[in-house]
Amino acid sequence: DTGVSQDPRHKITKRGQNVTFRCDPISEHNRLYWYRQTLGQGPEFLTYFQNEAQLEKSRLLSDRFSAERPKGSFSTLEIQRTEQGDSAMYLCASSLRELAGYEQYFGPGTRLTVT
Amino acid sequence: QKEVEQDPGPLSVPEGAIVSLNCTYSNSAFQYFMWYRQYSRKGPELLMYTYSSGNKEDGRFTAQVDKSSKYISLFIRDSQPSDSATYLCAMSDRDSSYKLIFGSGTRLLVRP
Repeated sequence: DTGVSQDPRHKITKRGQNVTFRCDPISEHNRLYWYRQTLGQGPEFLTYFQNEAQLEKSRLLSDRFSAERPKGSFSTLEIQRTEQGDSAMYLCASSLRELAGYEQYFGPGTRLTVT
Repeated sequence: QKEVEQDPGPLSVPEGAIVSLNCTYSNSAFQYFMWYRQYSRKGPELLMYTYSSGNKEDGRFTAQVDKSSKYISLFIRDSQPSDSATYLCAMSDRDSSYKLIFGSGTRLLVRP
């Protein structure tokens, strides 16, 4: 399977714990986006990378959130001191800038539940 | 007011019907218009994308964009039970790094 993969698929954690999610984009896709989706809503943009550079962060991304993309390959999204309001589906998407940055392909998502 | 508005449905139709899904938007800078299909607890799947105004057809799916009215549509012909899903419209522009702005999604149910 050469699509976008995300790990884990589900994560249950207690309030106050730290969690980390991983995203592996489609090979050779140099743009990687993170979105968050809550029930009944469309995905909301969090941040994106062009290769290893993080070029934009949404106001939704509080100081407790950090994302990295070392060497421009996979990416990680870490949430520190989780809160119940962080419960959501975290989606990763990748695109090939040279073709069309808007043509984004999503992974299956990581569903986070904070108890 | 949200940048992209989409009727949440649910929209229930009999198998074989023509389905019309719509979104309106307020940001005239949007240049690219996408439709995604999302099954329950899965990631969104890109169905179609359109640049600027006009129509685009792919099999049973037709996307229409009317920039003057800030209105986009997705038509599904000969709908099938397997089309039952949530359909999300999304928009972006080059100056905003192509980040996607989504509608809230319309839930579609195609009855056998």
